[in-house]
Amino acid sequence: RKEVEQDPGPFNVPEGATVAFNCTYSNSASQSFFWYRQDCRKEPKLLMSVYSSGNEDGRFTAQLNRASQYISLLIRDSKLSDSATYLCVVNSYNQGGKLIFGQGTELSVKP
Amino acid sequence: NAGVTQTPKFRILKIGQSMTLQCTQDMNHNYMYWYRQDPGMGLKLIYYSVGAGITDKGEVPNGYNVSRSTTEDFPLRLELAAPSQTSVYFCASSLRDSRLDTFGSGTRLTVV
Repeated sequence: RKEVEQDPGPFNVPEGATVAFNCTYSNSASQSFFWYRQDCRKEPKLLMSVYSSGNEDGRFTAQLNRASQYISLLIRDSKLSDSATYLCVVNSYNQGGKLIFGQGTELSVKP
Repeated sequence: NAGVTQTPKFRILKIGQSMTLQCTQDMNHNYMYWYRQDPGMGLKLIYYSVGAGITDKGEVPNGYNVSRSTTEDFPLRLELAAPSQTSVYFCASSLRDSRLDTFGSGTRLTVV
C-alpha cells in the first residue's frame, strides 16, 4: 500500500461545478497535512494546510479525518484557472519528518 | 526577492557524465530539500538539509550527493549519470521544519 494515495484522475468538470478530491495516508502517526497545486510543467505551490478542525480559504475547503486517515479538498464554483494537478502531502514524524507526496489528481475545468 | 533559484533549467547528459544542479535561496531559510518528479508521479525526496554543514538522505539518495557549505546554497551532484535519473528536479526551502514554503522552478534533466 502506498503511503499517500490520491483519487486517480483526471477530473473533468464544467465551470461553476463543485469538485472534491480525496487522499488517504497509511501512517497513523502523521502530524501535518497539506494540499499543493502544480500547474503543467511548473513547480508545486502551497495551496493550503489542513487542520484537524477543517479549514476554508475562499472557494477551497480542506478536511481531515484522522480516524479514517484521509484528507479531502473541496473546490466550489470551479474556475478555468483551477485547472491543475493537486498534490496531497503528508508529514510523518515516524519517518524522520519527511514530507511524502501523493501522485497527484489532475483537474480540468471546461467552459 | 528572488526566492529559490535553480540552474540550469534544462540539461541533456550522456550516460556516465557528471553534473551539478545549483540551488540558491535568499530568504535565510535553514531547511532546504531536493526532490525529483517522474512523469505522472509525486515528488520523491532525494536529500535534505536542516542548516549549513548538515545534510541527510531522503527516500531516493542513490546516485546523488549534496553539500551545504552556506545557508544560501544547496547544490545536488550527479555522478555517473544513468537513464533512470531522467527526471524533473526541484529544490525547495522552508523557514520551519516539516513544511515546503518555496520551490525553485525546476531542472529538466534527460540522460541519454
